[in-house]
Amino acid sequence: GNSVTQMEGPVTLSEEAFLTINCTYTATGYPSLFWYVQYPGEGLQLLLKATKADDKGSNKGFEATYRKETTSFHLEKGSVQVSDSAVYFCALSEPRGGQNFVFGPGTRLSVLP
Amino acid sequence: NAGVMQNPRHLVRRRGQEARLRCSPVKGHSHVYWYRQLPEEGLKFMVYLQKENIIDESGMPKERFSAEFPKEGPSILRIQQVVRGDSAAYFCASSPRDRGSGNTIYFGEGSWLTVV
Repeated sequence: GNSVTQMEGPVTLSEEAFLTINCTYTATGYPSLFWYVQYPGEGLQLLLKATKADDKGSNKGFEATYRKETTSFHLEKGSVQVSDSAVYFCALSEPRGGQNFVFGPGTRLSVLP
Repeated sequence: NAGVMQNPRHLVRRRGQEARLRCSPVKGHSHVYWYRQLPEEGLKFMVYLQKENIIDESGMPKERFSAEFPKEGPSILRIQQVVRGDSAAYFCASSPRDRGSGNTIYFGEGSWLTVV
């Protein structure tokens, strides 16, 4: 079955540090890949997505590139802010009907001033 | 968030009572999904519905849990005879089309159920 693996948290960084959150997936077909962010006490918000190999999704300074050869979709940001503190979820969906969205376990990021 | 409305935001129930969680999808969206998030854990898929149909309920516990998405009105997740282990955040999401093909699903802000 499909699955998503993320690096374990929590990740603690100082403000302006470089961020990488690793995400790898297993899928039978050609999935679309997503990063969602969850701020404390809130629901999930779409951060970025990529629908095919070599696509790069980007938003709010975050980037992730769909790497089919390594089945990865690592999230990066060059300079994090305190306001980026949240839980980040990597997810995939497959184009064929009957497949649900599959989420990784989430990675908690804490950014210290 | 793209307008998925969930209520109540917070619900407290005693063991053995029933919990009803409501979800109004984004206007025009005909596909609804329910997820559960246990404390400090990730999201677990529960059920996927279209109007008047359950498409995939592979993540739903076999007992006490049910979901519906009627032709008119919100989707309802119903938990009968709640137990402490049901305490979690329940998230609803919606999409305009089938969840595949790279379609984004949009989440509500969740309903936090506490069973005392």
